[in-house]
Amino acid sequence: NAGVMQNPRHLVRRRGQEARLRCSPMKGHSHVYWYRQLPEEGLKFMVYLQKENIIDESGMPKERFSAEFPKEGPSILRIQQVVRGDSAAYFCATQFRSGTDTQYFGPGTRLTVL
Amino acid sequence: GENVEQHPSTLSVQEGDSAVIKCTYSDSASNYFPWYKQELGKRPQLIIDIRSNVGEKKDQRIAVTLNKTAKHFSLHITETQPEDSAVYFCAAPDGSSNTGKLIFGQGTTLQVKP
Repeated sequence: NAGVMQNPRHLVRRRGQEARLRCSPMKGHSHVYWYRQLPEEGLKFMVYLQKENIIDESGMPKERFSAEFPKEGPSILRIQQVVRGDSAAYFCATQFRSGTDTQYFGPGTRLTVL
Repeated sequence: GENVEQHPSTLSVQEGDSAVIKCTYSDSASNYFPWYKQELGKRPQLIIDIRSNVGEKKDQRIAVTLNKTAKHFSLHITETQPEDSAVYFCAAPDGSSNTGKLIFGQGTTLQVKP
């Protein structure tokens, strides 16, 4: 699981700015999940993507949040016009096959909104 | 959709004692139950998982049991050590969506006192 990369590890934004979080899957993994962890809370599903497709975005707020996983390059979670409530740790997890294959987590991006 | 409840929220044991964490789930279609360990400021790491075709799985000091009829599964750690101190999360896939997204329990903070 050390192969799942996320950057930046820490991100500080002022209210109203944009945040871009990147996730590079383990080699051979083409399934990406994004989870959010609020302080002192558990992990909440946000969005599930395969290459060039959003499969399930039921956990992602309809406004200000978007995600993509292009044919080339990392998956990106984008938060526009950040608010203080967006402060959290954002983890991606990747897997080789869809379904109940093991999900391996990246180190996370800790977003702080001032 | 799936709902996962985890108890207790905190657990303190003496080094060498056993620790048990319990989870219940709601979706009878769920067939995969991973356990993740998260140290402070780190990524969740898979420590053990069980699939619904078995009732118990063991890996050294860690074991997981599954009762499909009652829809609950438990993590057992024997001969606890201070390095077992962490937050532990159980999870189950959201069977209704069939996407593999995980629904996590609220977490258990385990403290092992030397």
